[in-house]
Amino acid sequence: DTEVTQTPKHLVMGMTNKKSLKCEQHMGHRAMYWYKQKAKKPPELMFVYSYEKLSINESVPSRFSPECPNSSLLNLHLHALQPEDSALYLCASSWGVGENTEAFFGQGTRLTVV
Amino acid sequence: GESVGLHLPTLSVQEGDNSIINCAYSNSASDYFIWYKQESGKGPQFIIDIRSNMDKRQGQRVTVLLNKTVKHLSLQIAATQPGDSAVYFCAENIDQTGANNLFFGTGTRLTVIP
Repeated sequence: DTEVTQTPKHLVMGMTNKKSLKCEQHMGHRAMYWYKQKAKKPPELMFVYSYEKLSINESVPSRFSPECPNSSLLNLHLHALQPEDSALYLCASSWGVGENTEAFFGQGTRLTVV
Repeated sequence: GESVGLHLPTLSVQEGDNSIINCAYSNSASDYFIWYKQESGKGPQFIIDIRSNMDKRQGQRVTVLLNKTVKHLSLQIAATQPGDSAVYFCAENIDQTGANNLFFGTGTRLTVIP
């Protein structure tokens, strides 16, 4: 299994809603990442989890709250988002922090905030 | 974030020709580089990587060249096919406090003309 699976594929939410994005991998990777990608732009790093602990938060607003319940799962909890938060949210994983190996990406969740 | 830029935002090539996509990076401490391909509606897909102690690496139909003197990276695709049409990103990895952190370049859209 060399896949990173993200659910849902599409999500429409209001500015007062609370929703969660989910990511799962079964490759034994110990580092997991959330990226945000706006249209026609490169992915931008949001969070890095290493061995289930948050190691990097790239100055992301608190309306985005990551969670890593175990080494295979990564969630992104959303609350009180703004329309400008609409984007493709990508999850990725890699073997480990401190090791130079490629990150495998999921297909992303297309989020629309209305 | 760090600066990883591409010289050309779009590239059109005839099917069967070779393609060259260029990338400049600014951080001399970057030690690992990856090329990703992203098709419409999908997550980035790993193509090839190279470590800073190498200047060339070859894969199937792809070659990555690294020139550390001028901080330049290139991706060469041999015998370009219609399925190669996509956006290509270079990404540099910089160890930050022991964590891997991928910074993506602007991206180049490759269009293959049949």
